[in-house]
Amino acid sequence: EVQLVESGGGLVQPGGSLRLSCAASGFTFSDHYMDWVRQAPGKGLEWVGRIRNKANSYTTEYAASVKGRFTISRDDSKSSLYLQMNSLKTEDTAVYYCTRSGVDTTPYYFDYWGQGTLVTVSS
Amino acid sequence: DIQMTQSPSSLAASVGDRVTITCRASQGINNYLAWFQQKPGKAPKSLIYAASSLQSGVPSKFSGSGSGTDFTLTISSLQPEDFATYYCQQYKSYPFTFGPGTKVDIK
Repeated sequence: EVQLVESGGGLVQPGGSLRLSCAASGFTFSDHYMDWVRQAPGKGLEWVGRIRNKANSYTTEYAASVKGRFTISRDDSKSSLYLQMNSLKTEDTAVYYCTRSGVDTTPYYFDYWGQGTLVTVSS
Repeated sequence: DIQMTQSPSSLAASVGDRVTITCRASQGINNYLAWFQQKPGKAPKSLIYAASSLQSGVPSKFSGSGSGTDFTLTISSLQPEDFATYYCQQYKSYPFTFGPGTKVDIK
């Protein structure tokens, strides 16, 4: 069974940093592209960014709203995905979801989602 | 960026009703369109991918259609567990974008 379990959320002051983790199991993590998606309280879904697999050089893509502040990384030996968030703003307050995507450059959807972790940016 | 719109933004329906939700992309996305269901306090769940393919384990009362810019999600016979918010999403090009959601309520 595919499982994605996020952790690391919490309360942080504006301008601060936080690192989220996502522990994956039930599939060959190293094969897959992985994405982060967020949802502000009472709002819709917003794609945050993607990291590709080793075969595609672990390259990344980011939404304009987080580019230069957020960094996605992965550790295939630990089946783990990370989201380093710096220079946090109040508008980054959201539930952050880890999602699984495809294995190559063929467009693929987010087939599995974690339960999410809440990040609150407030003074 | 590709903008996604959905209509209606909300609807009220009865158990047993047939429900159709429309999603439109601001430019052609071939069939790179997914639908998700989200219940309050829960993570989104994948229902449909490639516009019309059913995610494994999802009941056949859900169906999707469309290509290019116009897409639909249909629930053939609404059941109590189907009351939720539904989102469409394009995965043709970056940044991936979602529709604003359609909330399906009990009439």
